[in-house]
Amino acid sequence: DQQVKQNSPSLSVQEGRISILNCDYTNSMFDYFLWYKKYPAEGPTFLISISSIKDKNEDGRFTVFLNKSAKHLSLHIVPSQPGDSAVYFCAASDSGGTSYGKLTFGQGTILTVHP
Amino acid sequence: EAGVAQSPRYKIIEKRQSVAFWCNPISGHATLYWYQQILGQGPKLLIQFQNNGVVDDSQLPKDRFSAERLKGVDSTLKIQPAKLEDSAVYLCASSPPPQGNEKLFFGSGTQLSVL
Repeated sequence: DQQVKQNSPSLSVQEGRISILNCDYTNSMFDYFLWYKKYPAEGPTFLISISSIKDKNEDGRFTVFLNKSAKHLSLHIVPSQPGDSAVYFCAASDSGGTSYGKLTFGQGTILTVHP
Repeated sequence: EAGVAQSPRYKIIEKRQSVAFWCNPISGHATLYWYQQILGQGPKLLIQFQNNGVVDDSQLPKDRFSAERLKGVDSTLKIQPAKLEDSAVYLCASSPPPQGNEKLFFGSGTQLSVL
């Protein structure tokens, strides 16, 4: 039962253009969403998050959008840089559940930014 | 600030053997997690500790996996006996207070190959 899905295994964009990574979820109890970035041979690192009471959160070049009715979120990177090339994981949690802090991850999207 | 430390970095064993992984979280982080990441999938939570108590171990295969966190600091994850399907990266993560903080800090992981 894949509760968090990232349907695009990979994405390739040109440096300076926008990268859009998508994520869908099925569990309506999820109310907090995060994006993590992972470089090879390293653990995932936190990138940006959004609470379900918001529909947008921005941090520098990174913006996360949440559409609760569609159970869909997206990560926009503008402008994309070669150093952004990594695997991006979408994650979700149910902050009202008993396992506070428990994250359910998507499968990841490999982003490649070409110079 | 030192990050989450894990060892060993790599481990190769034969099926039915046992193996143990070690994790030292960031100082002051009360919550510790063990995640399993199979190739091509997102990390999956195995067990979550709050200090030295277990918060969630619902996805831990308890017939072969065990974990402990003595004195609420370091943690070990053990597999006995290992199966081929246990081949994965085992990620340790920790998070600071308040309880339920979803911004996890991950270690670099232990890559396990079961032959």
